[in-house]
Amino acid sequence: GDSVTQMEGPVTLSEEAFLTINCTYTATGYPSLFWYVQYPGEGLQLLLKATKADDKGSNKGFEATYRKETTSFHLEKGSVQVSDSAVYFCALKGGSNYKLTFGKGTLLTVNP
Amino acid sequence: EAGVAQSPRYKIIEKRQSVAFWCNPISGHATLYWYQQILGQGPKLLIQFQNNGVVDDSQLPKDRFSAERLKGVDSTLKIQPAKLEDSAVYLCASSFSSYEQYFGPGTRLTVT
Repeated sequence: GDSVTQMEGPVTLSEEAFLTINCTYTATGYPSLFWYVQYPGEGLQLLLKATKADDKGSNKGFEATYRKETTSFHLEKGSVQVSDSAVYFCALKGGSNYKLTFGKGTLLTVNP
Repeated sequence: EAGVAQSPRYKIIEKRQSVAFWCNPISGHATLYWYQQILGQGPKLLIQFQNNGVVDDSQLPKDRFSAERLKGVDSTLKIQPAKLEDSAVYLCASSFSSYEQYFGPGTRLTVT
């Protein structure tokens, strides 16, 4: 079945550092890929998405590129802020009912 | 536009008791989802409704969990009887089409 594997956390960075959170997937067909963010005490919010190979999703300074050849969708940001501290989930959507399959999440803490 | 509403936000019960969660989706969203998020893991789909019909309940433990969406709007998820391993955050999400899902803040259940 479909699965998502993401980088184990927690990740701790200083403000303005470069961020990479790795995500790889296994799926049949051509899934859509997503990054969701969960701030403390809040529900999940869609951060960015990509629907086909070589698409780049971007939002709030975050980027991720759909790499079919490596089945990856790594999240990057050039300069993190304290307000980026949250849990980040990689997810894919495939199958006939478009079910979302999530990774385990990566906790990011950014220190001033 | 109001978001997905869930109640209660927190619930503590003893094992073998029953509990119910309520979700009101975004107005006009035909598809409603219930997810279980165990600490340290990504959300797992329990059940998906399209209007008031079930699309996918393959991961719903039907011996103790039940869900309904009688009028195709709000929904309830029930656990009876609860087990210790049911301690988790229960997330409700809704979508207009089969594409982007909007999540509520979740209900944190603790079973003692």
